[in-house]
Amino acid sequence: EIVLTQSPGTLSLAPGERATLSCRASQNVDRIYLAWFQQKPGQAPRLLIYGASSRATGTPDRFSGSASGTDFTLTISRLEPEDFAVYYCQQYISSPYTFGQGTKLEIK
Amino acid sequence: EVQLVESGGGLVKPGGSLRLSCAASGFTFRSYNMNWVRQAPGKGLEWVASISSGLSHIYYAHSLKGRFTISRDNANNSLYLQLNSLRAEDTAVYFCVGGAAHSEIYYYYGMDVWGQGTTVTVSS
Repeated sequence: EIVLTQSPGTLSLAPGERATLSCRASQNVDRIYLAWFQQKPGQAPRLLIYGASSRATGTPDRFSGSASGTDFTLTISRLEPEDFAVYYCQQYISSPYTFGQGTKLEIK
Repeated sequence: EVQLVESGGGLVKPGGSLRLSCAASGFTFRSYNMNWVRQAPGKGLEWVASISSGLSHIYYAHSLKGRFTISRDNANNSLYLQLNSLRAEDTAVYFCVGGAAHSEIYYYYGMDVWGQGTTVTVSS
């Protein structure tokens, strides 16, 4: 089973700042099969990034994803008020299609 | 409009059973690999089960130990999850999730279609 470890658990930033969220895989994950989701309270998760770096339909271009080996990064270039939420990474190359434990992005 | 609508959740006693349903509309259901993902109260996302577009590949989370069964009816654009021998730790919101299939195993664009979820509560 591929374990995904996200860091930090909580990130406190102000609107306008840059956010960097990390996701480390316990073994190699073909970058094609790494996704990032955003979830707001009481809502279903929303796909932001697939294939490690491709933005899903409707994802603003301030969101970007990157990969280096087993390390994956979601960057939000300039935080908007609506970006404060919980973010999850997920690998979907092999079952079980595991999620990271999440990073809560909160307003400082 | 692309839509997944779950139903069938509710309150059930430990050891009981439930059948969750998910109705799909607005996209070519038979071309999508489908999943169930759950979220316990205040916790993160947990992938539960997957069934490929043509039903040839079915996978489950190891922790379920054979208690759940995923199925689909492509003719009726529906996904199902049979939950048996329910435990308190199965209490969660269950999401129906899909993604356009690239072969029976892989996804073109990840899991990009989510329902709003149905709540399962296991309690005596």
